[in-house]
Formats: sequence, C-alpha cells, structure tokens
Amino acid sequence: DQQVKQNSPSLSVQEGRISILNCDYTNSMFDYFLWYKKYPAEGPTFLISISSIKDKNEDGRFTVFLNKSAKHLSLHIVPSQPGDSAVYFCAGRYNNNDMRFGAGTRLTVKP
Amino acid sequence: EAQVTQNPRYLITVTGKKLTVTCSQNMNHEYMSWYRQDPGLGLRQIYYSMNVEVTDKGDVPEGYKVSRKEKRNFPLILESPSPNQTSLYFCASSLPDPGTGGFNEQFFGPGTRLTVL
Repeated sequence: DQQVKQNSPSLSVQEGRISILNCDYTNSMFDYFLWYKKYPAEGPTFLISISSIKDKNEDGRFTVFLNKSAKHLSLHIVPSQPGDSAVYFCAGRYNNNDMRFGAGTRLTVKP
Repeated sequence: EAQVTQNPRYLITVTGKKLTVTCSQNMNHEYMSWYRQDPGLGLRQIYYSMNVEVTDKGDVPEGYKVSRKEKRNFPLILESPSPNQTSLYFCASSLPDPGTGGFNEQFFGPGTRLTVL
C-alpha cells in the first residue's frame, strides 16, 4: 500500500534552472511532510519539511508547497546546481510515529 | 562529530543464519528507527523506538527483532534470514517533535547492504 507516490523516477534539468519534484499521497491523516536527499553510498539527509497546516515553507533555494485538497506536494529548487544531483525522497508522517516514504526521484542537474 | 553509525556496512550470509546489524548514535536522541530500502518501494519502516525499552512495529516488521537496552544503541536482529530480506538497511535517530512529540527530521546512518543467499 504505497501511501506516498513519487511518479517520476527521474528528472533532468540544466544548471541554473528550476527543479520541481512532485509527490502525491493518499493518506489524509498525514500531519507532517519531509523531504530527504540521498547521495550514493550515503544515508538520506533531511532537507526541508512542512506541517499540514501550512501551504508553503521556504529555506534558501528550497521551497516546499503543499496542496492538501489535491493531496500533492512539490519541492522547488531554484537555482539548481550540479551538487543537487541526488535521489530525493518525500515522506509523510501520521500517528506521530508512522513514517511513509515515496520511492524517490533521481535528479540530475547538468552543467 | 554527530553521527549515526551502522555495522557492518556490507554483509553476505546464508538463509537461516542469525545475524545482528548494530546501530549507534551519539546525539542523545530519544527516537530511533530501522528502515529497509528496496527498488521501486522507497524506504519502509521496520521498527521504531521512542526510548529505552520502548519499541514498536513499523510497516514491515515480519522477520525482524529489535531491542533498546541503551539510549544510544538500537540493534536489528534477523533470527532466521531469508532471501526476501536482501535489502539496503538504514538506521535513523531523531529528537521528538517539540510540538507533537512525534517523529521529527531524522538523522540516518550510512546504510548496511545485506544479501541473503
């Protein structure tokens, strides 16, 4: 039961342009969403999060948007840099401790 | 340096041979979790612990055991590994969300790649 879906396995963008990574979810009980970035041979690292009571959270080049009615969130990276090339996981939390992750989107930023 | 360490990083074993993957964190975090990552499925939570001697099942607990006897350590035990437990395993730790007491941003270890033949 994939409660969090990242339907694009991969995304390629040019350096300096915007990267938009999408995430859809089915569980309306999620109260908190997180994005993680993962480089090869390393564990995921936390990137940015958003509470379900908000619709936007921004941190430097990273902005997460939440559309609760559509059960959709997106991560915007502006401007994209080659060092942003990684796999990005979206996650939702419910019942405080139950974390559900998407399958990930591999972002490639070309110089 | 604040970190989560896992050992071993790589392990090849045979069906039925008990194994333990250790996890240790030096950040004094209350919460710890184990995940497995499989292609097309992302990370799935196996077990989590909210404090010493407090553990609970995650999404895919079958075939696994955990213990939390000390705050810093959270070993994952496979009593009788099977080939479908071949996966990449991650341990993670975090502080409680100050607002809800739930899971917050987690710090992940580097991963343990397990192959069960």
